[in-house]
Amino acid sequence: ETGVTQTPRHLVMGMTNKKSLKCEQHLGHNAMYWYKQSAKKPLELMFVYSLEERVENNSVPSRFSPECPNSSHLFLHLHTLQPEDSALYLCASSQMSTGVTEAFFGQGTRLTVV
Amino acid sequence: GQQVMQIPQYQHVQEGEDFTTYCNSSTTLSNIQWYKQRPGGHPVFLIQLVKSGEVKKQKRLTFQFGEAKKNSSLHITATQTTDVGTYFCAGGTSYGKLTFGQGTILTVHP
Repeated sequence: ETGVTQTPRHLVMGMTNKKSLKCEQHLGHNAMYWYKQSAKKPLELMFVYSLEERVENNSVPSRFSPECPNSSHLFLHLHTLQPEDSALYLCASSQMSTGVTEAFFGQGTRLTVV
Repeated sequence: GQQVMQIPQYQHVQEGEDFTTYCNSSTTLSNIQWYKQRPGGHPVFLIQLVKSGEVKKQKRLTFQFGEAKKNSSLHITATQTTDVGTYFCAGGTSYGKLTFGQGTILTVHP
């Protein structure tokens, strides 16, 4: 238990479906992240939210839409995905302040697009 | 923007051999962190280095932070099969932002 909970753990969706990934952190952190990790590939940063404001968007296709309604929750809305979007999606949180603290990752959502 | 590069991307070793992964930042860092991700798992924090030239050890793992605070390394002595996984470095800024390297995937052959 890392204090960061992601749901669902596994998701299979068709290319025309709309689904959402949820992340919740119970650590009081002020920054949350979405990462994509494809098979045998390193982490790719997708979005960073600090104090509920998106501070980074690494050229992610518009079929991925993040939402951060408060500092504890982060969503990733998915629509009209492609098979190459199949991957492990990891959420993380950390405390952005004058001192850096470690990032805590959720268990991830294993997404398969069919 | 800040970039953190990590090499090599993949490393295959025989059990008992040593392993090193290197991390380089385009900017001076406030600190460097290292994470390990086991196959099928999620990244887990290993250690944080803050001081210029700092060296820390955890059993067979040795972590170094460069004098200029722009590079770091992780060295594993006498690898074991339990060491398999992906090792990530993450550079931290003074205001707390973390930038992860691409990671090194370590395979240990028995």
